[in-house]
Amino acid sequence: GAVVSQHPSRVICKSGTSVKIECRSLDFQATTMFWYRQFPKQSLMLMATSNEGSKATYEQGVEKDKFLINHASLTLSTLTVTSAHPEDSSFYICSARGGLAADTQYFGPGTRLTVL
Amino acid sequence: AQSVTQPDIHITVSEGASLELRCNYSYGATPYLFWYVQSPGQGLQLLLKYFSGDTLVQGIKGFEAEFKRSQSSFNLRKPSVHWSDAAEYFCAVGEGFQKLVFGTGTRLLVSP
Repeated sequence: GAVVSQHPSRVICKSGTSVKIECRSLDFQATTMFWYRQFPKQSLMLMATSNEGSKATYEQGVEKDKFLINHASLTLSTLTVTSAHPEDSSFYICSARGGLAADTQYFGPGTRLTVL
Repeated sequence: AQSVTQPDIHITVSEGASLELRCNYSYGATPYLFWYVQSPGQGLQLLLKYFSGDTLVQGIKGFEAEFKRSQSSFNLRKPSVHWSDAAEYFCAVGEGFQKLVFGTGTRLLVSP
């Protein structure tokens, strides 16, 4: 139980384009989803927290107009990187908690974004 | 603000030997503590967690961790390491069940 998926696993895009990453909880209802960013050989940095049906709460220093987060249902959250630039290249990981998995964050497999 | 320190960036252990990964935290209240493991290019898998009660916590894959309030530590241990345990290990402290703060991780290498 408590499985989280992400799609796509890898994406390469041109500078200036937008990229959408999906995060799904497969066997539980995720009342809260989290988006993290991980640079090579570094730890995870929380970007934002989203509760189903509410606006996301962004961490200090994260541009909310650049990283659009939508959590429209209890099983799906999306992160859209708008007007991507090479410095946005990173590993993006989502996590989810809720229902029977309310006390722990369960992580997706991550999405490797490369902006050319 | 809470913080997590994992003092060892890399650790090399021989297969079959015991393992201890260190984790120290800073948090004003009773912490929620977690250990996650990450294989290359993958997400994080929960190994174990501590919220309250027995300070020795058993997890998956033969791992255990001990919460020591006096030392602000939550070290991860395994009595006999397998080659498949080679990965990055992250300790994290939670503000309740919401925000997690991660340590910088310890990369475990297993030698034959």
